[in-house]
Amino acid sequence: DTAVSQTPKYLVTQMGNDKSIKCEQNLGHDTMYWYKQDSKKFLKIMFSYNNKELIINETVPNRFSPKSPDKAHLNLHINSLELGDSAVYFCASTRGQGSTGELFFGEGSRLTVL
Amino acid sequence: DAKTTQPNSMESNEEEPVHLPCNHSTISGTDYIHWYRQLPSQGPEYVIHGLTSNVNNRMASLAIAEDRKSSTLILHRATLRDAAVYYCILRERTGGTSYGKLTFGQGTILTVHP
Repeated sequence: DTAVSQTPKYLVTQMGNDKSIKCEQNLGHDTMYWYKQDSKKFLKIMFSYNNKELIINETVPNRFSPKSPDKAHLNLHINSLELGDSAVYFCASTRGQGSTGELFFGEGSRLTVL
Repeated sequence: DAKTTQPNSMESNEEEPVHLPCNHSTISGTDYIHWYRQLPSQGPEYVIHGLTSNVNNRMASLAIAEDRKSSTLILHRATLRDAAVYYCILRERTGGTSYGKLTFGQGTILTVHP
């Protein structure tokens, strides 16, 4: 069983469209994250949720709206897609917001905006 | 966020040990030292972490300097599968305002030659 799974793995869309990426973890973790990896390969944190509550929002444009229906799921919805949104988006989870242990990452969702 | 400095790239031969250095001269007493790696087209993968003492696990060893201003990730026998980008990251301990987030730097690209 995949610990952190993301769908879709690949997404190609036009500028201006709205799209969502879904993430699920079966590890029983309380805290989940979204990271963005751009074309220069830098990984930047976007959001973090702890038990469905938003705890980190790294000045991401409000076109990006995370939603956590329960602590096992963290979805990312993006409105009015722009070319600069093209990147690989990684979901991750960890035991709790104060945990110093490891993060588990999904395989990534590659978004291409044309 | 505390910063880390790593060499851009390193090379090794298969089955030889690899020592990946990391400087973190501004580390605080509440920061754990984490190492992750990212294989091509995959999400980051946890390798090891520590606070003050040297640590060993099935993947690697982590040697931490006595003053904690630097650390070294040791791969005892490199394999081709170890070719990846290795990230040295400082993660704040429980109760910190960063909520345990990981801030990735540029990492070290490790090339392993057959």
